[in-house]
Amino acid sequence: DAGVIQSPRHEVTEMGQEVTLRCKPISGHNSLFWYRQTMMRGLELLIYFNNNVPIDDSGMPEDRFSAKMPNASFSTLKIQPSEPRDSAVYFCASSTGTSFGEQFFGPGTRLTVL
Amino acid sequence: DAKTTQPTSMDCAEGRAANLPCNHSTISGNEYVYWYRQIHSQGPQYIIHGLKNNETNEMASLIITEDRKSSTLILPHATLRDTAVYYCIVRPLNNAGNMLTFGGGTRLMVKP
Repeated sequence: DAGVIQSPRHEVTEMGQEVTLRCKPISGHNSLFWYRQTMMRGLELLIYFNNNVPIDDSGMPEDRFSAKMPNASFSTLKIQPSEPRDSAVYFCASSTGTSFGEQFFGPGTRLTVL
Repeated sequence: DAKTTQPTSMDCAEGRAANLPCNHSTISGNEYVYWYRQIHSQGPQYIIHGLKNNETNEMASLIITEDRKSSTLILPHATLRDTAVYYCIVRPLNNAGNMLTFGGGTRLMVKP
């Protein structure tokens, strides 16, 4: 298995533009997580899905952020409009969803909003 | 979830054992101790987890005190590739969806 796949790996955009980050979880995993990492705030959970259904989005910073999981093999995190303070590394992770299931992280997307 | 306290940074000589401590004095009976690490520019990686017994796998050993208020992750023969930030996390067994709350972690520097 190729592991969790994220695209793009790097994204540079201007303030006000829409940004879409993509994630393909490991096949057979039914839980998917989106995290954001910055120097100031560390690694924060934004939202997670179980069986394609959003379970907890309390970490989503504001309405400019939205996430979808239309099927078991694909998820998107969208920021519209983007702001400079959204600059961070965004990680996607997946797990089997069992009580002991470890999370497998993707390589991350480094977002820079100018 | 219970909070954890870890030293901000540690150094270790290559080839020696790296012992990374973690305090979780408010841990409750149904909470497990998990360890992840994050090598620079990569996503976090699972290392090991345990409840109350000591655990060992191919990566590391986890020693949990009898009162479960602290634990130590041991890398028996540290290499330069073990340089990373190590996160100690406590999580209930029945935590739906396996949510993890990452703290600041310990930045381990393995030196030649």
